[in-house]
Amino acid sequence: QKEVEQDPGPLSVPEGAIVSLNCTYSNSAFQYFMWYRQYSRKGPELLMYTYSSGNKEDGRFTAQVDKSSKYISLFIRDSQPSDSATYLCAMTRTREGGNKLTFGTGTQLKVEL
Amino acid sequence: EPEVTQTPSHQVTQMGQEVILRCVPISNHLYFYWYRQILGQKVEFLVSFYNNEISEKSEIFDDQFSVERPDGSNFTLKIRSTKLEDSAMYFCASGRSPYNEQFFGPGTRLTVL
Repeated sequence: QKEVEQDPGPLSVPEGAIVSLNCTYSNSAFQYFMWYRQYSRKGPELLMYTYSSGNKEDGRFTAQVDKSSKYISLFIRDSQPSDSATYLCAMTRTREGGNKLTFGTGTQLKVEL
Repeated sequence: EPEVTQTPSHQVTQMGQEVILRCVPISNHLYFYWYRQILGQKVEFLVSFYNNEISEKSEIFDDQFSVERPDGSNFTLKIRSTKLEDSAMYFCASGRSPYNEQFFGPGTRLTVL
């Protein structure tokens, strides 16, 4: 079983749709969860960072964490063509010397006019 | 807004040659990382660096790889004798603490011929 599983897509939605992106994980040591957006051949750009189970909202983005089910989600409201990118979930456990991120494979999203 | 920078953006080298990839992390960050992403694959952790020493490394980070923080601002990744399979995007990241977000640079695309 992979440590982090993410549906690779591609996911195509019309402009204005609500998008739901999901990851599951198997390692219960993961405590911090992130969502990154990556445009083609660019670096990952941090969108959301969460620790607790529950929801965290930032503008059109909502991150949801369910540690009991080992499941995280990112919701994008009122999706725009500029949201077209690959979305990466990433997670880490606590470690004093620095924390390696374990990434999902990424979900490719296309928002169409 | 402070950001992680990386040079060069693209490096082409012959197999067996040494390459040095350079990064300037965000200035008040203390934790530094290198990741790589082979085309079409997920982002993979290589190494974390804190307090002038490696704190964790992956199986990928073998004796051909080394990292250094030669001064107060730069963080470098050296590959001593490049192989074809080293061709990838290499991302530098930094963070303030092991419990905070990691911010990524734009990446260096390494092509080994």
